[in-house]
Amino acid sequence: DAKTTQPPSMDCAEGRAANLPCNHSTISGNEYVYWYRQIHSQGPQYIIHGLKNNETNEMASLIITEDRKSSTLILPHATLRDTAVYYCIVRAAAGNMLTFGGGTRLMVKP
Amino acid sequence: ETGVTQSPTHLIKTRGQQVTLRCSSQSGHNTVSWYQQALGQGPQFIFQYYREEENGRGNFPPRFSGLQFPNYSSELNVNALELDDSALYLCASSLASGTYEQYFGPGTRLTVT
Repeated sequence: DAKTTQPPSMDCAEGRAANLPCNHSTISGNEYVYWYRQIHSQGPQYIIHGLKNNETNEMASLIITEDRKSSTLILPHATLRDTAVYYCIVRAAAGNMLTFGGGTRLMVKP
Repeated sequence: ETGVTQSPTHLIKTRGQQVTLRCSSQSGHNTVSWYQQALGQGPQFIFQYYREEENGRGNFPPRFSGLQFPNYSSELNVNALELDDSALYLCASSLASGTYEQYFGPGTRLTVT
């Protein structure tokens, strides 16, 4: 699976949009981009995934660049409960495992 | 809440002992994956079970073994515990193998002394 690069930490003001970037320049055509988050001492929580089109669900939006070498997870109105480590993961279509990197520690501040 | 449950919540064992951790998957999910998360690090894939068969394994020694039962619940067994086995052990269930999203349980915190 392709490797991902994320900033180690980010801050966001409560109520503002949080934009979390991820670089995956070696992604292959059959690899999906997944986002999970992990709130302290809990299991990771699935957020969203996509192949090449932008995706939106009740939690977030995923914007994937046209060349698929990077993506951005958008939390439209961050709350204090969104404080967590966010993991960007690239996974092959036939893959069975998630390869977690270091993630981005997002701190939402009042 | 993902519907994935794990037991026990916490466990303390002595080096050299054996441990069994349990996971009940979300209803309708036939695939269970296990991960180890050391303090301050991301989860690392141990193995996956799909329809009671091992379906992929990460870089873990054979003393890490597993089972999946007909009801798709699963066990992780670790023999000859080492101090470095101290970690949060997570299981995740999914609808099937492949790109289906995995839903994680709360984990079992294992401490080896």
